[in-house]
Amino acid sequence: EIVLTQIPLSSPVTLGQPASISCRSSQSLVHSDGNTYLSWLQQRPGQPPRLLIYKISNRFSGVPDRFSGSGAGTDFTLKISRVEAEDVGVYYCMQATQFPPSFGQGTKVEI
Amino acid sequence: QIQLVQSGTEVKKPGASVKISCKASGYSLSNYYMHWVRQAPGQGLEWMGIISPNDADTTRYAQNYQGRVTMTRDTSTGTVYMQLNSLRPEDTAVYYCARASEEQHFDYWGQGTLVTVS
Repeated sequence: EIVLTQIPLSSPVTLGQPASISCRSSQSLVHSDGNTYLSWLQQRPGQPPRLLIYKISNRFSGVPDRFSGSGAGTDFTLKISRVEAEDVGVYYCMQATQFPPSFGQGTKVEI
Repeated sequence: QIQLVQSGTEVKKPGASVKISCKASGYSLSNYYMHWVRQAPGQGLEWMGIISPNDADTTRYAQNYQGRVTMTRDTSTGTVYMQLNSLRPEDTAVYYCARASEEQHFDYWGQGTLVTVS
């Protein structure tokens, strides 16, 4: 099973400033079809998870462009260009390249 | 629009079973895989299993739940179900259904169902 390790686990941020979360995989997430099935989810307090980014860098419908994803192989990053109050919550990376799907431990973003 | 609406809060005794429903709307259930994910209080996300979109009703479960979990679907009503047996206090969690897109990401999630075992 692939293990995803997120750094940091907690990220105090300042409104209007950037934030960054790292996700490292125990194995390459490049699938045999050439795609990398690494996504990022946001979970606001009391809410279900919400898809932000899929296949490393593709923003899901309705996701603000201040969110961006990058990386390759085993190292990935989620960046928020300018943190807003509504961005408070826990962020998870998730891989679906290899069965079973797995999640990072989560990174708590707080003001 | 696409929605996954789950059944309500459950309180169960240890040893009992729980069956949670997840009703899909805005798309055809028979075209997409559905996953189940759980989240214990204050903890992260844990994948439980997946059910296929077609009549074969193929399922695959996480090893931790093998023998205790059953996932089924009723395409006539657009509903998937997850039953967990032999409940223990540590099964207390919020359970989510999540649709798998054609590109493997979990694009739509249910609102969650809290199951308390006590």
